[in-house]
Amino acid sequence: DAGITQSPRHKVTETGTPVTLRCHQTENHRYMYWYRQDPGHGLRLIHYSYGVKDTDKGEVSDGYSVSRSKTEDFLLTLESATSSQTSVYFCAISDQAGPTSTDTQYFGPGTRLTVL
Amino acid sequence: SQKIEQNSEALNIQEGKTATLTCNYTNYSPAYLQWYRQDPGRGPVFLLLIRENEKEKRKERLKVTFDTTLKQSLFHITASQPADSATYLCVPTGSARQLTFGSGTQLTVLP
Repeated sequence: DAGITQSPRHKVTETGTPVTLRCHQTENHRYMYWYRQDPGHGLRLIHYSYGVKDTDKGEVSDGYSVSRSKTEDFLLTLESATSSQTSVYFCAISDQAGPTSTDTQYFGPGTRLTVL
Repeated sequence: SQKIEQNSEALNIQEGKTATLTCNYTNYSPAYLQWYRQDPGRGPVFLLLIRENEKEKRKERLKVTFDTTLKQSLFHITASQPADSATYLCVPTGSARQLTFGSGTQLTVLP
């Protein structure tokens, strides 16, 4: 998985609790992304980062926040988890000009989150 | 809004045959198009990228075509093998700030 780890890999939590997912890369790539994947919807972009402390919203950003204090780490936070946020979350990285570039995106192994 | 349609959610073919997957897009003018493969429980893996000025791209048993007039890409796997069984994702790229992935076609190659 191209030097990308995600933690935790599985998590079960209750509605209303805060949850933070971590993505860590060892590739020194500039761009990092968080996606969620649900049956029938494909991969949808939540937030992305184009540098340390530089982030932007994706298609489905409501209810999520992100932070990037170091090149290698990109955190996704659900401030107050809801059942609609039950999903598989993937982190991805790329090395070129951002989401509209021609570069390849490398994906992490995913985190399966269940909100009861 | 931008829309991607990939042919039939599931495609079953016999080993050794050629698999053809279709990707149609609307409200897009992508400069290029990417194809990814995803296995169950794993993240997508990049396979091929084709630019708008390229009609065809090949990599080993894979071939991709890109018709900007029809707004369509075809993805072919020749001499298919059971190990090719996976979900294949189409990603028209380059005309918007966000990548949009198709929901994918699940290919099963029967031995």
